[in-house]
Amino acid sequence: GNSVTQMEGPVTLSEEAFLTINCTYTATGYPSLFWYVQYPGEGLQLLLKATKADDKGSNKGFEATYRKETTSFHLEKGSVQVSDSAVYFCALKAQGGSEKLVFGKGTKLTVNP
Amino acid sequence: GAGVSQSPSNKVTEKGKDVELRCDPISGHTALYWYRQSLGQGLEFLIYFQGNSAPDKSGLPSDRFSAERTGGSVSTLTIQRTQQEDSAVYLCASSLQAGGREQYFGPGTRLTVT
Repeated sequence: GNSVTQMEGPVTLSEEAFLTINCTYTATGYPSLFWYVQYPGEGLQLLLKATKADDKGSNKGFEATYRKETTSFHLEKGSVQVSDSAVYFCALKAQGGSEKLVFGKGTKLTVNP
Repeated sequence: GAGVSQSPSNKVTEKGKDVELRCDPISGHTALYWYRQSLGQGLEFLIYFQGNSAPDKSGLPSDRFSAERTGGSVSTLTIQRTQQEDSAVYLCASSLQAGGREQYFGPGTRLTVT
């Protein structure tokens, strides 16, 4: 079945450090790929998405590129801020068929000043 | 505009009791989804509605779980004879229509079964 694997957390960085959170997926065809973020005490929010191979999603300084050849969608940010502290979830929606999102387990990021 | 709302925000219930969780989607959104977020299992899909129909119920963990949607709007998730393993945050999401559109999530209902 379809699945998403993302790097285990927690991840702790200093402000202005470079961030990478790895995400790989298993699915047939060309799923849509998403990164959601959950800030402390808040609900899930869509951070960025990509719907076809080689697309790059970007938002708030975060980027992720849909790599079909490596079935990956790694999240990156060049310079993190304290306000980026949150839990990040990688997710996919399969091509055709079900409308459900399949999520990774989440990666907790803490950014220290 | 108003986002997805869920009620109650917190619910504590005794094992064996029934509970109802409510979701009000964004006005005009035809697709509605229920997910469950727990420490052990992460975020799991439960059920998807398109209008009042549920074409995908594959994530409901047992026949103690049911959901309905009326008027193409409000949805209720019902858990009968609650068990401790049902303790989780239940999230509702809606989207303008099916087909890869962004799902907007509500704040969730935290259910604790004692």
